[in-house]
Amino acid sequence: GAVVSQHPSWVICKSGTSVKIECRSLDFQATTMFWYRQFPKQSLMLMATSNEGSKATYEQGVEKDKFLINHASLTLSTLTVTSAHPEDSSFYICSATDRDSNQYEQYFGPGTRLTVT
Amino acid sequence: SQKIEQNSEALNIQEGKTATLTCNYTNYSPAYLQWYRQDPGRGPVFLLLIRENEKEKRKERLKVTFDTTLKQSLFHITASQPADSATYLCALTGGFKTIFGAGTRLFVKA
Repeated sequence: GAVVSQHPSWVICKSGTSVKIECRSLDFQATTMFWYRQFPKQSLMLMATSNEGSKATYEQGVEKDKFLINHASLTLSTLTVTSAHPEDSSFYICSATDRDSNQYEQYFGPGTRLTVT
Repeated sequence: SQKIEQNSEALNIQEGKTATLTCNYTNYSPAYLQWYRQDPGRGPVFLLLIRENEKEKRKERLKVTFDTTLKQSLFHITASQPADSATYLCALTGGFKTIFGAGTRLFVKA
């Protein structure tokens, strides 16, 4: 149980284009979904927290107009990287907490490797 | 500012031995502390959660201790196996926010 999927698993795009990443909770309803970015050999950096039906809360230093988050349902959140640039290349990981379980245990997706050329 | 420190150097141990990983934190009073496993190119996988009023938690070959006075958690893997080789992340939760350490890479040699 508690499976989170992400799509795509990897994507290569040209500078200036936008990329959408989907995060789905497959067998549970997610109270909250989180979006992280991870650079090689570094810790997960929280970008934003989103609750279904409400606006995402962004961490300091994260541009909300560049990283658009939509949490349309209790099982789906999307992250759109708009006008991507090479410095946006990173490993993006989403996680979710189960509405009916321990709210502090996060279930992570497999991650999406974004490369901007 | 809040800070989590995990040993950045990789830990190399022989199969069958006990691996002990350390997580220290400062400027934080977490309600929960969690350990995750992360394999290369994959998302983290939840292992154990321990509350601030708990001293120790066990799950199969895993044991976690939590000392809020020392601001430290120890993560033990007994009878380690090559399949335990991965990066282990410590995470602290206070309020509704969780912050992660950079992780310690564990290599278990057969």
